[in-house]
Amino acid sequence: GAVVSQHPSWVICKSGTSVKIECRSLDFQATTMFWYRQFPKQSLMLMATSNEGSKATYEQGVEKDKFLINHASLTLSTLTVTSAHPEDSSFYICSARRGADGGQPQHFGDGTRLSIL
Amino acid sequence: AQSVTQLDSHVSVSEGTPVLLRCNYSSSYSPSLFWYVQHPNKGLQLLLKYTSAATLVKGINGFEAEFKKSETSFHLTKPSAHMSDAAEYFCVVSVPDSWGKLQFGAGTQVVVTP
Repeated sequence: GAVVSQHPSWVICKSGTSVKIECRSLDFQATTMFWYRQFPKQSLMLMATSNEGSKATYEQGVEKDKFLINHASLTLSTLTVTSAHPEDSSFYICSARRGADGGQPQHFGDGTRLSIL
Repeated sequence: AQSVTQLDSHVSVSEGTPVLLRCNYSSSYSPSLFWYVQHPNKGLQLLLKYTSAATLVKGINGFEAEFKKSETSFHLTKPSAHMSDAAEYFCVVSVPDSWGKLQFGAGTQVVVTP
């Protein structure tokens, strides 16, 4: 159990367009979802934490108007990269967790490779 | 503050030999600790977790880790490496704030040679 599906897995688009990435928990209800960004050969960098039905909490330095996060249901969170530019190219990974207890593990999607031309 | 330090950025082992990945943690509280594995261009898969129950934690794929409070360590081991174990491994601690955010180690790249 605890499967998280992330879609799309790979997207290439032109500079200035907006891109939406979906993260779904397939077999459990995820009170809390997280969005990460990973640069090559580096660890994961937390971008924001989202709880169902409330506004996302962004980490310092992450532009909330650039990276729009919506957690509309207990099984779906979306990340929209608005007016994407080449510097937004990266590997984006979501995770989902049952409840707010930090002792519960986060379950990760397979990531989305975003390339902005 | 919570943090983890992975002592080796790169580990190379021969197939069939033991694997040891070292992790030290720093935590003001009784920590929740995890080991995750990431294969190329993939998300992270949970190997095991420690949440103040048994100090020796068994995970998937033959991995286990031992929590040693006196040494503030949470090293990951496997008796016999398989080619499929080649991947990036992350030691992770949960930050006990209101959302339980994760603090990641820098990662250890494991290479398995035939």
